[in-house]
Amino acid sequence: TQLLEQSPQFLSIQEGENLTVYCNSSSVFSSLQWYRQEPGEGPVLLVTVVTGGEVKKLKRLTFQFGDARKDSSLHITAAQPGDTGLYLCAGANFGNEKLTFGTGTRLTIIP
Amino acid sequence: EPEVTQTPSHQVTQMGQEVILRCVPISNHLYFYWYRQILGQKVEFLVSFYNNEISEKSEIFDDQFSVERPDGSNFTLKIRSTKLEDSAMYFCASSTGQKNIQYFGAGTRLSVL
Repeated sequence: TQLLEQSPQFLSIQEGENLTVYCNSSSVFSSLQWYRQEPGEGPVLLVTVVTGGEVKKLKRLTFQFGDARKDSSLHITAAQPGDTGLYLCAGANFGNEKLTFGTGTRLTIIP
Repeated sequence: EPEVTQTPSHQVTQMGQEVILRCVPISNHLYFYWYRQILGQKVEFLVSFYNNEISEKSEIFDDQFSVERPDGSNFTLKIRSTKLEDSAMYFCASSTGQKNIQYFGAGTRLSVL
């Protein structure tokens, strides 16, 4: 069974600070996706990373896929209250359509 | 922007009753999925569906569950005899199949009393 562990589970920081969320596994994934989920809604895709070592930027968010494709990180620069939410990583494998979701990081940005 | 739509948003049912959760995937997508999220827990895969048949299912997806694509637009999840532990958010997702990018609906909250 593939598992994705996210850390930290909860993070509360002041507006303007930087933060990093980690997504780790002992398994290799062919791709990894980051989602954000608001209360009472479904996960909304932020980014997909496919190549080991790949870095993608989405405004103040930087996503990196580990060289061995077992881990990923999400870095937010100058966090804003609008970044508050539940961040989920999810891994997929070739020939296997299901997504394995991580345990989630609940982020709160304090104005 | 195309989106996955799910109905109803909230379903309350008595234990032992049958429920059908409905989803309209994005129109040009070929792969369809159901996931569930028990309150406070992580999102779990239930089943994937392609070419009018189940392509993969998890251990959770036992004989009480079934899926169907009754027409060209709807994708349904049926739970034959609901149990208290079936209470959860159920998410439908769809994809073109490329790079496993899946788009999720807003979910149906199922409450079994």
